[in-house]
Amino acid sequence: GENVEQHPSTLSVQEGDSAVIKCTYSDSASNYFPWYKQELGKRPQLIIDIRSNVGEKKDQRIAVTLNKTAKHFSLHITETQPEDSAVYFCAAKVGTSYGKLTFGQGTILTVHP
Amino acid sequence: NAGVTQTPKFRVLKTGQSMTLLCAQDMNHEYMYWYRQDPGMGLRLIHYSVGEGTTAKGEVPDGYNVSRLKKQNFLLGLESAAPSQTSVYFCASTAASRNEQFFGPGTRLTVL
Repeated sequence: GENVEQHPSTLSVQEGDSAVIKCTYSDSASNYFPWYKQELGKRPQLIIDIRSNVGEKKDQRIAVTLNKTAKHFSLHITETQPEDSAVYFCAAKVGTSYGKLTFGQGTILTVHP
Repeated sequence: NAGVTQTPKFRVLKTGQSMTLLCAQDMNHEYMYWYRQDPGMGLRLIHYSVGEGTTAKGEVPDGYNVSRLKKQNFLLGLESAAPSQTSVYFCASTAASRNEQFFGPGTRLTVL
């Protein structure tokens, strides 16, 4: 089955810096790659996603890039703010899998004021 | 719309006890999922359902059973709880025609 590896497990940045989180996946049939943000004690919430026919997608300060050849995708957050502090999860969906997502292990992002 | 709701929010069990977690969604979604979340391990799929009356095993199904008697509800059961089942449990749902999964608020379960 699909396997998703996420790095780093923790990331600490100063306010205003950029943050990058990387994920690799194993199944070349994966075609959907979401990123979820989970604040302490809350549910995961989708912040951005990308399909396999697109190389990059942006939404204000966040962007996701996908390299299908290398089977990796990354989350980029620019101009970080303290409220960006949370756990971020990447995931991958194999095309024929009834919507099942395989998640990475998570990255704890801390933005210091 | 309430979205995805879960009951209870917290529960403490003794080893060997049983319980049922309820997930409900009001978005008419076909697909529903149960995950467990443990530190450093992300979200792992326990069981899922693609429609009323159908269920299937996920990545970590042992020790759990599920039922989906109504489209809007997905129940997760623990017949004989073990300390290894201490975790936070999340339910999620999605429409068959879409990709985004919507999560419930979670249930924090402690097994002593």
